[in-house]
Amino acid sequence: QKEVEQNSGPLSVPEGAIASLNCTYSDRGSQSFFWYRQYSGKSPELIMSIYSNGDKEDGRFTAQLNKASQYVSLLIRDSQPSDSATYLCAVKGTGRRALTFGSGTRLQVQP
Amino acid sequence: EAQVTQNPRYLITVTGKKLTVTCSQNMNHEYMSWYRQDPGLGLRQIYYSMNVEVTDKGDVPEGYKVSRKEKRNFPLILESPSPNQTSLYFCASSFPGQGREQYFGPGTRLTVT
Repeated sequence: QKEVEQNSGPLSVPEGAIASLNCTYSDRGSQSFFWYRQYSGKSPELIMSIYSNGDKEDGRFTAQLNKASQYVSLLIRDSQPSDSATYLCAVKGTGRRALTFGSGTRLQVQP
Repeated sequence: EAQVTQNPRYLITVTGKKLTVTCSQNMNHEYMSWYRQDPGLGLRQIYYSMNVEVTDKGDVPEGYKVSRKEKRNFPLILESPSPNQTSLYFCASSFPGQGREQYFGPGTRLTVT
């Protein structure tokens, strides 16, 4: 079992819809969770971080964390074609200094 | 402009020929790290550094070396590159601590033949 798992996609949604991206992790003691966006050929950029159970909203983005079920999700409201990218989930596990990244979910927003 | 720079951006080399990929940041970050990104495997950390002269292995350190003699620079050294080191490499930096945003460099695409 991978430490951080994501569906590779592509996840295709129409413009204006809500895109829902999911991530599960294996280390029950993990405390920090991040979502990065990576455009094709570019470097990752941080879009959300979350540390406590529940929802965290930032503009059109909402991160959701459920530590009991060991999953973290990212919702993108009013999806735009410019949101088309690969979204990487990253988790900081117990006693680790490094982040563990999932392999990413490719999102396609259809105009 | 706050940034992380990497050089070269693209490199094609042959097995066994030593190479260095440079990384430099201008944000006075203590923490720097190197990742490789491969299809289906995501980003995997190679080495990281908490500060000058402090380096440690990440998840996939075999075949790589690093040094941190200055705060701004963190070069990645491949003493004897092999084809399985063909990958996309990213350098990243941040201030230490939970949630500190990692700034990634533009990436170096390395091909070893």
